[in-house]
Amino acid sequence: DGGITQSPKYLFRKEGQNVTLSCEQNLNHDAMYWYRQDPGQGLRLIYYSQIVNDFQKGDIAEGYSVSREKKESFPLTVTSAQKNPTAFYLCASSRIPRAKNIQYFGAGTRLSVL
Amino acid sequence: DQQVKQNSPSLSVQEGRISILNCDYTNSMFDYFLWYKKYPAEGPTFLISISSIKDKNEDGRFTVFLNKSAKHLSLHIVPSQPGDSAVYFCAASSIGNTPLVFGKGTRLSVIA
Repeated sequence: DGGITQSPKYLFRKEGQNVTLSCEQNLNHDAMYWYRQDPGQGLRLIYYSQIVNDFQKGDIAEGYSVSREKKESFPLTVTSAQKNPTAFYLCASSRIPRAKNIQYFGAGTRLSVL
Repeated sequence: DQQVKQNSPSLSVQEGRISILNCDYTNSMFDYFLWYKKYPAEGPTFLISISSIKDKNEDGRFTVFLNKSAKHLSLHIVPSQPGDSAVYFCAASSIGNTPLVFGKGTRLSVIA
């Protein structure tokens, strides 16, 4: 049963703490993405990766870091430098497209600050 | 600078009637457009898409129309059902391996 798995579903961060959100896909997709959703803001791109060991900053990369050591995995670390981390985080993946770029999303992780 | 705009934050429609969700874009390099549906606390699910070489694409109750000269697309849902109540996101991409650019979404409420 192919899909994208995000864990945990809920996560709490203390002041000054780094936390890591997991994203795993078994769709054999080359590209993976991280988005942040805030109320009324839509989906904003944090980072994306089109190939293993390579990734690009999105519109709101400050305070976040990623790695892409395996094709299936694209973890996102929310660092202490991210001053407003409370949001719903969504991971997505897609094939490297020729003409179409349909992204498939995980169920999301809700991060809150204690 | 919003490249994809959904100017209506919300829309209410009676069950059985047509729902029309609108989306405008500014980047003339966009050549592929998608609609996603999202329920609260879930990830968006792909609904329907259209390439810039077409002006219409249908899939069951869902039809997307593209007007390239006006840089406008719309999603029609006929007939609307209570289960269609969700937030709908318009997204666009340009040629090549560029990430999707999303609008802010329109919350559709279908009233029984």
